Amino acid sequence: DTEVTQTPKHLVMGMTNKKSLKCEQHMGHRAMYWYKQKAKKPPELMFVYSYEKLSINESVPSRFSPECPNSSLLNLHLHALQPEDSALYLCASSQRLGWNEQFFGPGTRLTVL
Amino acid sequence: SQQGEEDPQALSIQEGENATMNCSYKTSINNLQWYRQNSGRGLVHLILIRSNEREKHSGRLRVTLDTSKKSSSLLITASRAADTASYFCATGGGNTPLVFGKGTRLSVIA
Repeated sequence: DTEVTQTPKHLVMGMTNKKSLKCEQHMGHRAMYWYKQKAKKPPELMFVYSYEKLSINESVPSRFSPECPNSSLLNLHLHALQPEDSALYLCASSQRLGWNEQFFGPGTRLTVL
Repeated sequence: SQQGEEDPQALSIQEGENATMNCSYKTSINNLQWYRQNSGRGLVHLILIRSNEREKHSGRLRVTLDTSKKSSSLLITASRAADTASYFCATGGGNTPLVFGKGTRLSVIA
């Protein structure tokens, strides 16, 4: 299984809502990533987990809260988001934290009203 | 900060033609990768070229790397409508996060 899955595919939420994005991989990868991508822009790194521990937080606002319950799962908890947070949120994984080939999920299209 | 800068930003070609995209970067690298992204979808890894390699092939893809000029090119030969996508170069290695360039949007017209 060389697939990274993400749920939901689409999410619309109000600024007072709390929601979560989920990501799963069963490739035995020990590094997992969250990226944010605005339209016609490249993905921007948000968080990196290595062996279920937060390794990198790219100065992301606290309204985004990542969680790695186990080596296969990665969550992104959302609370009190702003309309400018609307974007495609991509999850990725790689064998180790070596920054070589990353496998991406299809993304969650988030709209904040 | 963005390491790679692709050009052109957008490219439109006829099916069967070759497509060439370029990427320039600023600092020394261990390797350079190219990814493809279909509209609104996740990225797919295409090819990785190490800093000690000058050229690499994978099917219809040919990647070159010139570390003296800090540049790389991706050539897609005999393009197909299914090649329509955005193409990103990415640099990073070791403990350096993967940083993507701005991307080239390729349209292949049947």
